Amino acid sequence: AQSVTQPDARVTVSEGASLQLRCKYSYSGTPYLFWYVQYPRQGLQLLLKYYSGDPVVQGVNGFEAEFIKSNSSFHLRKASVHWSDSAVYFCAVSPFNNNNAPRFGAGTKLSVKP
Amino acid sequence: GPKVLQIPSHQIIDMGQMVTLNCDPVSNHLYFYWYKQILGQQMEFLVNFYNGKVMEKSKLFKDQFSVERPDGSYFTLKIQPTALEDSAVYFCASSPDWGFYEQYFGPGTRLTVL
Repeated sequence: AQSVTQPDARVTVSEGASLQLRCKYSYSGTPYLFWYVQYPRQGLQLLLKYYSGDPVVQGVNGFEAEFIKSNSSFHLRKASVHWSDSAVYFCAVSPFNNNNAPRFGAGTKLSVKP
Repeated sequence: GPKVLQIPSHQIIDMGQMVTLNCDPVSNHLYFYWYKQILGQQMEFLVNFYNGKVMEKSKLFKDQFSVERPDGSYFTLKIQPTALEDSAVYFCASSPDWGFYEQYFGPGTRLTVL
């Protein structure tokens, strides 16, 4: 069965520092991969998505993610975080060969210290 | 960008009562979803709906749950009867197709069952 693991429930970084949020998935094949962000009292918004091609994909607001097939990972990165990046980040996986709905990881709550 | 609306934003009901959560998806989207969010983080898939039918549901989608979208109007989630463990924030999402397409999320309905 497909699963998505975000091992870090909470991450705290200082403003201007670099960031990596981890995501690993379990699926027999290469699924569609997504990162979403949720700001307080709002729905999720797409940051970026990946299926094939260059394993480093660029998203909005300076975010990028790298797909590493050998590790079944799709970690999110940002070179320099801003206090406004404080939010909950979700990794999601959608199967390639059927129309099952995307499944989400448990989320990582990012706090950026000024 | 396209918006998904959810009505009401907050609903408080007594255990055992019926509740209907309403979602106004993006107008040309074909796939509709409900997710349940607990404790502000874990985003659990409930159900996926397409062409007037439930395509997929999780074990959280109990017999007391039902969904419909009569005549292209609101996409609704009905819970009858409600239980204490149904207290959560329910997010509706829609997408134009399945797979690599972005899901657009509403702001959520906070359901409190007393």
